[in-house]
Amino acid sequence: DSGVTQTPKHLITATGQRVTLRCSPRSGDLSVYWYQQSLDQGLQFLIQYYNGEERAKGNILERFSAQQFPDLHSELNLSSLELGDSALYFCASSVDSDTQYFGPGTRLTVL
Amino acid sequence: GQQVMQIPQYQHVQEGEDFTTYCNSSTTLSNIQWYKQRPGGHPVFLIQLVKSGEVKKQKRLTFQFGEAKKNSSLHITATQTTDVGTYFCAGRVNYGQNFVFGPGTRLSVLP
Repeated sequence: DSGVTQTPKHLITATGQRVTLRCSPRSGDLSVYWYQQSLDQGLQFLIQYYNGEERAKGNILERFSAQQFPDLHSELNLSSLELGDSALYFCASSVDSDTQYFGPGTRLTVL
Repeated sequence: GQQVMQIPQYQHVQEGEDFTTYCNSSTTLSNIQWYKQRPGGHPVFLIQLVKSGEVKKQKRLTFQFGEAKKNSSLHITATQTTDVGTYFCAGRVNYGQNFVFGPGTRLSVLP
């Protein structure tokens, strides 16, 4: 158990819909990262927040947005969903930009 | 931008055979990390290498950081079925910057 929690575990929705994925980092970690992993693919870095502020942006679509709240939990919002958005979404946390501890992931299925 | 590559993409070995995966960076790295993701699981931190030419061992796993700090390798001696998974390297150019993940090497071990 990494100490990072993600909810929900599974999410099934339809094209065009909007969903919110939630992540709670390890106690004391200020950085939260979001990754997308499509079937049998690598980890695509989406975005990083540090202590409530956006710190780094990767290949995140304009339809996707994220934020980190004062209690340091983070949410990833995915809108106008397409079939190709079906993937595992991982959240990771770290003290700063150091070793990342990954949550169990949210498996999103868009039908 | 910084690129991290890994070869091979896939490797199938017979149980008991050795396995090596290689990680190459387009730029000199300050440090490199290795993660393992079991099938259906999330990436888990294995080790970090910092010094040029550094070699670290964890039981049957040997990690090496190149002299020029642009490449790294992970060698598994006498693979077991528990070694199955995807091995990712992640490199960082400077302390304080984020780690960039390679695409991973997927290892299958045939009993």
